[in-house]
This record gives sequence, structure tokens and C-alpha cells, in this order.
Amino acid sequence: QQQVKQSPQSLIVQKGGISIINCAYENTAFDYFPWYQQFPGKGPALLIAIRPDVSEKKEGRFTISFNKSAKQFSLHIMDSQPGDSATYFCAASSGGGSQGNLIFGKGTKLSVKP
Amino acid sequence: DAGITQSPRHKVTETGTPVTLRCHQTENHRYMYWYRQDPGHGLRLIHYSYGVKDTDKGEVSDGYSVSRSKTEDFLLTLESATSSQTSVYFCAIRERGGLTGELFFGEGSRLTVL
Repeated sequence: QQQVKQSPQSLIVQKGGISIINCAYENTAFDYFPWYQQFPGKGPALLIAIRPDVSEKKEGRFTISFNKSAKQFSLHIMDSQPGDSATYFCAASSGGGSQGNLIFGKGTKLSVKP
Repeated sequence: DAGITQSPRHKVTETGTPVTLRCHQTENHRYMYWYRQDPGHGLRLIHYSYGVKDTDKGEVSDGYSVSRSKTEDFLLTLESATSSQTSVYFCAIRERGGLTGELFFGEGSRLTVL
């Protein structure tokens, strides 16, 4: 079965620190890797996404690192802030993201302590 | 915010009763999805639709049915609710062929089956 494995389940980081969340996938047909952010009581929202033609994508304090040979990708949050406290989901799909259904990881609950 | 409305937002019901959750969109997007979110399981796809009257099963479709008679509405029905279907249900939409593959989620419907 197609899976996306996400770790850790929970993460506590001090304000100003770096938060790192890792994901691994099995299906080599996956070619679209988004991260979603979810605040309590809300639906998930797209944070940042990457395709395998690049090894890194940065948007502000958020960076995705992608290792195609290892079938792994990770989210780095630099200078973590209390407002970043949320649950983060990695996901993957095939068809460039416009076709195949997204397969989500189980989520990481991030708490950033002031 | 994407124009997605889920109803009801909260429902408590008893085992064996039928339940229908409604997702309404104002974006005229082709694709609509129903996910359930449970602690330790992340987001799991129940059913999805790729057009009026066109639906297909997802990862956890047993015990659920869907209908889409209009572009804007996607209904999720639990014919005979069980306690294992206690969950938060999210509707999502996606534009056909959208370059980003971005899913827009509703705010969720919390269902408790006693």
C-alpha cells in the first residue's frame, strides 16, 4: 500500500530554534510533495510544496529539502515562533499534483515554547 | 478563504442511526473530497468526486457512501453509524488540472457516535 511515513509525532522547540519534520515515501511514481499546516479547530492549509526536479525550496522561514535517491523529504522551520505551533502534515501524490490523490502522513504536532 | 461550507459542524448521534454530512462549495471546482482525521492516523481519504455523478472510493470507504448531484454539493452518508466512525470529517476541493494541486479544506464536521 502506498504510504507516507512522518516523524516525529510531536515536537517541542524553543522560540528561535529550528524545527525539523521528516517524511519518507515508497512509491517512486510520486512527484508532488506538499506540506500542510493545521491550527486547532481549522482545516489544513497548504504551506509549501516541492516537485522532484529541485532538491530544495524555500519560502520565508520554511524550507523543504528533498532527497530523491533516499525517497525522503523534510520541512525545516527556521527561527520558530509560538505562532508556528500547529500540526503539520506531509503528503505525496503522482501526476504532478494535478491528478493523483494526495496521500498524507500521520502528522506532527509542533509546540514552540516562548 | 476558499468558499467551502460544511454542515453540520458538530453532531452527536447514536449507533445505528443514519447521518449525512454536507459539503457546499462556491468555487465551481471539479474535484471534491471527503477525509476523516483521527489521532495517530492523520488524514485518510474516504471518497472523492471528479464531477457530477462521478465518484470513487478512497482508502477507508467501508461504511460510507457519497453523492454529487450538483457541482457545488458533495454529500457523505453513514447509513448506520458506528462508534468507529466517531471522527472529524473534512471536505476538500481542488481545481481541475490546477498547477499546484492544492487542496482547499473546509473547517471540519465533528461527529460523535454514542
